[in-house]
Amino acid sequence: RKEVEQDPGPFNVPEGATVAFNCTYSNSASQSFFWYRQDCRKEPKLLMSVYSSGNEDGRFTAQLNRASQYISLLIRDSKLSDSATYLCVVNENTGGFKTIFGAGTRLFVKA
Amino acid sequence: NAGVTQTPKFRILKIGQSMTLQCTQDMNHNYMYWYRQDPGMGLKLIYYSVGAGITDKGEVPNGYNVSRSTTEDFPLRLELAAPSQTSVYFCASSRGDQPQHFGDGTRLSIL
Repeated sequence: RKEVEQDPGPFNVPEGATVAFNCTYSNSASQSFFWYRQDCRKEPKLLMSVYSSGNEDGRFTAQLNRASQYISLLIRDSKLSDSATYLCVVNENTGGFKTIFGAGTRLFVKA
Repeated sequence: NAGVTQTPKFRILKIGQSMTLQCTQDMNHNYMYWYRQDPGMGLKLIYYSVGAGITDKGEVPNGYNVSRSTTEDFPLRLELAAPSQTSVYFCASSRGDQPQHFGDGTRLSIL
């Protein structure tokens, strides 16, 4: 089992749609969680951190379920500019810590 | 707001040549990382450093070397370039287990 697994993509959605991505992680000692977005041929950029109580930033909502070891990202009212690859990132506690990036889920938002 | 700066942005090497990819950050982050990303694939960790004078191997260290003589700089050295090292290289930094900040990458082709 991969340490961090994401929904296989690509997701093709129309503008205005709501889309949800899930990500599972294998190490129950994982401490912190993030969503990044990566545009084609660009560097990954932090989208949002994921907190235990869930958190929202405009059209984006992130949730964490420690019992089931998954995190999710919900995008409401999709825009063309949301087209990108979304990376799930997990920090494991391994004495020091270890950051694991998921392989990413590709999103295409179409007019 | 420089953040993480990588140079060069593009480079073409011949097989067997050597080069150093430069990375510097001005955020006083203790952790620094080097990743490579092949087309359509996820990030793979090459080397990382938890502070000046300390480096450690990641997932794919073969063919690369690093040094960390200062907090700010984390150069990546390719000694004998091979076609398999054609990739996009990203440097990143973080303060402990906080989110990583990425440079905008070096696109390297080896012919």
